[in-house]
Amino acid sequence: AQTVTQSQPEMSVQEAETVTLSCTYDTSESNYYLFWYKQPPSRQMILVIRQEAYKQQNATENRFSVNFQKAAKSFSLKISDSQLGDTAMYFCAFQASGTYKYIFGTGTRLKVLA
Amino acid sequence: AAGVIQSPRHLIKEKRETATLKCYPIPRHDTVYWYQQGPGQDPQFLISFYEKMQSDKGSIPDRFSAQQFSDYHSELNMSSLELGDSALYFCASSSRDRRPEETQYFGPGTRLLVL
Repeated sequence: AQTVTQSQPEMSVQEAETVTLSCTYDTSESNYYLFWYKQPPSRQMILVIRQEAYKQQNATENRFSVNFQKAAKSFSLKISDSQLGDTAMYFCAFQASGTYKYIFGTGTRLKVLA
Repeated sequence: AAGVIQSPRHLIKEKRETATLKCYPIPRHDTVYWYQQGPGQDPQFLISFYEKMQSDKGSIPDRFSAQQFSDYHSELNMSSLELGDSALYFCASSSRDRRPEETQYFGPGTRLLVL
């Protein structure tokens, strides 16, 4: 069975600084997909970034980038130039290829300080 | 762009009552997923449908059932409600015919409170 672990329950960062959220996972699958979702106080789940396991290049979306280390089964999210609107719960999610469900980590609550 | 629509957004029920949650996927999406998120918890997968057939099943109680209709909308039926069913219920949708087919787009959720 796959598991996803987010070891940082809470983090804070000053506005305009950079922060990295960690995520590790355990799987025996060779092909899978990884995601970061953001859940602000409204509790809407918003896709931040996705990564295909077969791609060596790390995904980037504007201020958001990932450090994907397949051998180490690590998938961290880096947020650059943090903004107040980045304050949210961040969930890491795993999906094995050919399956339908996401397996989520327990989340990291990020607070951006003015 | 059109998003996933869920109704109702809020629902209050008594113990042992029934509830029906509805989900309207993004147009041309053929796959629907249901998740349950308890207070302070991560979302837990309940069930999914692809082209109106159940495609995967997670930790969905036997008291719950769901289906996907010909117009691709889905309904989650919950009977004999318990206090522990109080949660935020998300519906998500994706398209298996297009890439990235694995990306699920979430609705705003239905907040269910059982008293």
